[in-house]
Amino acid sequence: GQNIDQPTEMTATEGAIVQINCTYQTSGFNGLFWYQQHAGEAPTFLSYNVLDGLEEKGRFSSFLSRSKGYSYLLLKELQMKDSASYLCAVLDSNYQLIWGAGTKLIIKP
Amino acid sequence: DVKVTQSSRYLVKRTGEKVFLECVQDMDHENMFWYRQDPGLGLRLIYFSYDVKMKEKGDIPEGYSVSREKKERFSLILESASTNQTSMYLCASSFGTGEINEQYFGPGTRLTVT
Repeated sequence: GQNIDQPTEMTATEGAIVQINCTYQTSGFNGLFWYQQHAGEAPTFLSYNVLDGLEEKGRFSSFLSRSKGYSYLLLKELQMKDSASYLCAVLDSNYQLIWGAGTKLIIKP
Repeated sequence: DVKVTQSSRYLVKRTGEKVFLECVQDMDHENMFWYRQDPGLGLRLIYFSYDVKMKEKGDIPEGYSVSREKKERFSLILESASTNQTSMYLCASSFGTGEINEQYFGPGTRLTVT
C-alpha cells in the first residue's frame, strides 16, 4: 500500500530552527509537496520538490532524497505565526496526491 | 489571487438528509477536487474532475456523488447523510492537465450529521 509518515506533533521555540520529516512509500513518484494549514483554515502551498536536493524559499527550505523516500521541511527563525499543521503529499505514478496526516507544530515564546 | 469559495463553513444535518456542498473557483482552473479531512488521517480524495461534466472516483467515493455542470463550480452531494460522514470537507482546484501544479483550497465546510 501507499504510505506517508510524518510526526504527529512537534514543539519548538520562537526564533529557533525546526525540521519536519516526511518518509514515503508510494507506487511511483512524480514529486512531493509541502502545505501549511493554520487551524480552521485551508491548506496553502509551500513547496514542491521533484529532484534531489534542497530548495530554499526565504525562511522555509525543503529537501528531497528520492533514493531514501525522504523529505524534510526546514523552518528557520521561527515566528509565532508559524504555529500550524504542515502537510506532506506525494504525487504518485497516476498523478494522484497521497497525503500524510500532517505535523502539528507548536511554537512557544 | 486564486479564490476558492465553499457555500458554508459549518453545516448540521440529520441522518438521511440529502446534503449539497458547493464549491466555486474564480481562476478558470480545469481541475477540481473534493477531499475530506479527519483527525489523525491525511486528506482523502472523494471525487475529482478534469473538465466540465467529467468526474472520476477518488479513494473513498462511497456515499457521495458530484456534479460539474460549469467549469467554475463543483458540487459534492451526500445522497443520504450518515453519522460517519461527519467531517471537514475541503474543495480544491488546480490549473492544467498533465502538468504538476499546486492545488488551491477553499476554507472548508465542517459538516456534522446527527
